[in-house]
Amino acid sequence: NAGVTQTPKFQVLKTGQSMTLQCAQDMNHEYMSWYRQDPGMGLRLIHYSVGAGITDQGEVPNGYNVSRSTTEDFPLRLLSAAPSQTSVYFCASEGMTEAFFGQGTRLTVV
Amino acid sequence: EDKVVQSPLSLVVHEGDTVTLNCSYEVTNFRSLLWYKQEKKAPTFLFMLTSSGIEKKSGRLSSILDKKELSSILNITATQTGDSAIYLCAVENYGGSQGNLIFGKGTKLSVKP
Repeated sequence: NAGVTQTPKFQVLKTGQSMTLQCAQDMNHEYMSWYRQDPGMGLRLIHYSVGAGITDQGEVPNGYNVSRSTTEDFPLRLLSAAPSQTSVYFCASEGMTEAFFGQGTRLTVV
Repeated sequence: EDKVVQSPLSLVVHEGDTVTLNCSYEVTNFRSLLWYKQEKKAPTFLFMLTSSGIEKKSGRLSSILDKKELSSILNITATQTGDSAIYLCAVENYGGSQGNLIFGKGTKLSVKP
């Protein structure tokens, strides 16, 4: 997907470990967001940002932190991984006429 | 509570058929409605609709928004097996400069040869 780079693609964590999912975009979009996608639940918003230095909670923010120090980057941190956080995570970047997703991170917490 | 409902949840057609996917919404401060196609990977952007009654077209796909009826349709003509995917509808509610995307659960389209 154009301009949104998300890493890693796959990750296995043990319960209690922490990690950061990286997301970067080169389209100068102000709005970026993180979603998780679970079977039967659709895409649910975790956190979003409307610009550098501004973040806010979405529908399912518990257990996750974000920061937005630059327009380009919007990392998602799992503070203490739990099995309930096993999911596919997508970063999205939105402009005035389009919105693109990163390739996704399949996270398994054991 | 803001919500987006897609119908049908799943659909099986044969190649060459025309399909219509529906999306209805109840959202405060509507800004735009987006359609995505998701195969076994990240959703791929199809359309963003902001104005009622103006059709957006890309090849065999087209979409239109009806703000009065709080709904949108996505049409696919002359379907091909490569159109098999989950089609997601998302509505953006306006909060400040830009808002959040609220997703429906998707329509799973299967196109048989």
